[in-house]
Amino acid sequence: AQSVTQLDSHVSVSEGTPVLLRCNYSSSYSPSLFWYVQHPNKGLQLLLKYTSAATLVKGINGFEAEFKKSETSFHLTKPSAHMSDAAEYFCVVNRGKLTFGTGTRLTIIP
Amino acid sequence: NAGVTQTPKFQVLKTGQSMTLQCAQDMNHNSMYWYRQDPGMGLRLIYYSASEGTTDKGEVPNGYNVSRLNKREFSLRLESAAPSQTSVYFCASTDRVNYGYTFGSGTRLTVV
Repeated sequence: AQSVTQLDSHVSVSEGTPVLLRCNYSSSYSPSLFWYVQHPNKGLQLLLKYTSAATLVKGINGFEAEFKKSETSFHLTKPSAHMSDAAEYFCVVNRGKLTFGTGTRLTIIP
Repeated sequence: NAGVTQTPKFQVLKTGQSMTLQCAQDMNHNSMYWYRQDPGMGLRLIYYSASEGTTDKGEVPNGYNVSRLNKREFSLRLESAAPSQTSVYFCASTDRVNYGYTFGSGTRLTVV
């Protein structure tokens, strides 16, 4: 069975500093992995996806994630946080259907 | 820019009442899904339909039924609402799971 674990339920960073949202997955093979973002009272938007091509995946709004098989990780990063990045972020694995992590709420401090 | 459309956006029900949440997509996707979102639990799959004419249970199906009316529409029915079904419900669709899902904007349901 595949699942994802988001290691932090809440992350706070200052505007202009780097963002790191951590996700570990469990799988016996290389899965398809995604990051989705949900802004307050909004639906879910696909940020980026990994489907066994390049291990460094670039997404929208300056986010990227690196698939590391040796560490079973798919952490989401951004070099410089913006106020508009404040949202909830979900790490997601494809198990035939998409299975969601419990989410990380990102707060940006002005 | 339609994509996935959910109705209604908000609903308040009394315990024991029934209602149907509607979902329609205009992207000609084969697969459709219903999720519920609760604080600290992410999104959990209620039911899905891999293709027109088929439906299957997900992780949390109890208390719900679904109908895949045609390729475009996938409805979720609560026959006798309970306070534990207070949640935000999302419909999603895809043509290939590896591409990710397109989500609707959600229905916020409160059962009192």
